[in-house]
Amino acid sequence: LAKTTQPISMDSYEGQEVNITCSHNNIATNDYITWYQQFPSQGPRFIIQGYKTKVTNEVASLFIPADRKSSTLSLPRVSLSDTAVYYCLVGLDTGRRALTFGSGTRLQVQP
Amino acid sequence: DAGVTQSPTHLIKTRGQQVTLRCSPKSGHDTVSWYQQALGQGPQFIFQYYEEEERQRGNFPDRFSGHQFPNYSSELNVNALLLGDSALYLCASSLAQRSSRETQYFGPGTRLLVL
Repeated sequence: LAKTTQPISMDSYEGQEVNITCSHNNIATNDYITWYQQFPSQGPRFIIQGYKTKVTNEVASLFIPADRKSSTLSLPRVSLSDTAVYYCLVGLDTGRRALTFGSGTRLQVQP
Repeated sequence: DAGVTQSPTHLIKTRGQQVTLRCSPKSGHDTVSWYQQALGQGPQFIFQYYEEEERQRGNFPDRFSGHQFPNYSSELNVNALLLGDSALYLCASSLAQRSSRETQYFGPGTRLLVL
């Protein structure tokens, strides 16, 4: 199971673009990269998932370089409501089909 | 289309008591996983149910048990509650794919406080 490293916290202002990078040096060939968002006392919310290059949906974009050893979640024009913890997950513990969460990145958006 | 639902939203128990938490998966999903999230930490995998059986288990004691019903809903039971069991309990549902593309969708959680 690939270990991930992401910043503990980030600060931004409303209207800015926020990029959160996750390192996963030992990602396996079949691993997908998934990002979740979590607000206090709520369940994690699926944001985006990708395998390579770029994926975009109505919420975010995910950039994955060719070597796939890192990925960047991009949130365009953040608002106060984007203040949350963001988790990067790589792969699935297929022996258990369980997600392994790290500590995530705490994003604080200020007015 | 209802997402994952959990009940109750909050619960207060005392040490030594037993608790049952409930989860209904997202429509079309057949797998339910349970996670425990302590304050300030990421969710930790407890176990997973598929085809009404516990398929996989994390590093949790036997005091934690569960069940899955024919309609795919699930229960988490915790016996002999300890203060350290106070946490947010999350249920996640998915459609079994056995690859890392399998996406789990989480419910709102049940906040358990053990006094």
